[in-house]
Amino acid sequence: QKEVEQDPGPLSVPEGAIVSLNCTYSNSAFQYFMWYRQYSRKGPELLMYTYSSGNKEDGRFTAQVDKSSKYISLFIRDSQPSDSATYLCAMIPISGAGSYQLTFGKGTKLSVIP
Amino acid sequence: DSGVTQTPKHLITATGQRVTLRCSPRSGDLSVYWYQQSLDQGLQFLIQYYNGEERAKGNILERFSAQQFPDLHSELNLSSLELGDSALYFCASSFGGYNEQFFGPGTRLTVL
Repeated sequence: QKEVEQDPGPLSVPEGAIVSLNCTYSNSAFQYFMWYRQYSRKGPELLMYTYSSGNKEDGRFTAQVDKSSKYISLFIRDSQPSDSATYLCAMIPISGAGSYQLTFGKGTKLSVIP
Repeated sequence: DSGVTQTPKHLITATGQRVTLRCSPRSGDLSVYWYQQSLDQGLQFLIQYYNGEERAKGNILERFSAQQFPDLHSELNLSSLELGDSALYFCASSFGGYNEQFFGPGTRLTVL
């Protein structure tokens, strides 16, 4: 079982739809969670960074963390064609060794159709 | 623009050769991370440096090495290149350990 599971899609939605993207993880040590957006052949762009269980909102984006279920989500409201990209979840474990590398999901490819 | 710069953007080389990838972190960031992205493996952590010292190693091959210099820029050295090393190589930086990591635009390496 991979540490982080993410449905690769592809996911295709009409413009204006609410998009739900999800990741599950198996390692209880993961405590910090990020969502990145990556356009084709570009560097990942940080969208959201969360630590606590619960919701965090930033504009049209809401990140949700449920540590008890080991499940995180990213919601995109009023989706736009410019949101078409690959969305990657990423996690950092609590580590006494001073190591803070991200473990990524494989990414979900999203297309928003005008 | 994340503030992280990487050079070169593209690199085409032959098997058996050696290349060096360069990364300049965001101003004020002390940590530098290197990641490899391939179609089948996704984004994989290679190595982390913090203020000049190696902090963690991931799935980095022995043919690969890195260092972080006093001005905090970092270089990733790839030697005895194989076809399977063709990938996108990203550098990321953060101020500290649990701070957000910001990624550079990447270097696309093609080994022929």
